[in-house]
Amino acid sequence: DGGITQSPKYLFRKEGQNVTLSCEQNLNHDAMYWYRQDPGQGLRLIYYSQIVNDFQKGDIAEGYSVSREKKESFPLTVTSAQKNPTAFYLCASSMRETGELFFGEGSRLTVL
Amino acid sequence: GESVGLHLPTLSVQEGDNSIINCAYSNSASDYFIWYKQESGKGPQFIIDIRSNMDKRQGQRVTVLLNKTVKHLSLQIAATQPGDSAVYFCAESNQAGTALIFGKGTTLSVSS
Repeated sequence: DGGITQSPKYLFRKEGQNVTLSCEQNLNHDAMYWYRQDPGQGLRLIYYSQIVNDFQKGDIAEGYSVSREKKESFPLTVTSAQKNPTAFYLCASSMRETGELFFGEGSRLTVL
Repeated sequence: GESVGLHLPTLSVQEGDNSIINCAYSNSASDYFIWYKQESGKGPQFIIDIRSNMDKRQGQRVTVLLNKTVKHLSLQIAATQPGDSAVYFCAESNQAGTALIFGKGTTLSVSS
């Protein structure tokens, strides 16, 4: 079945460590996105990419990095520069011509 | 700045009642609006969308109304069921294929 796969579902890290969250889609979508969700909050945009080898910062990009080397993959690295990384991270994708985003099941990162 | 908000953070209804979830947006240039449902610990799921050239769109048990004059969006759920209990987000964009801006969400609780 087509869809978006995020891994790992749960992740723990120590302060000062970088961690990379995986996002893979087989929907042949051009655009991919990373959002962060905190308890009781809406989704805030971290980074997005509308085409391979190109990406743009969202509202809260500081402390994060991404790459888009392949159409189907958009990994997110949470660096040690991110001061409050504990959150629920959601990856999404869409066709460039439409607006609907398809979401993965999320990755919950906890910094110990 | 651009923002999408919801009037009420929580809504409690009885099973079988109709539910109305409201959302106000501030960007007059937004031309695409979408409602998502998010169950606990999962990614958001698409419910229904509407473009700015329409003021009403119906799906299965759901209706979205758009009032561009007052920049208001609502989601109506008919015959609400316990399985409808979730957090509902509205989102907007001002260009197809660009990142959606999300509101903070309304938690719908349905009691039997």
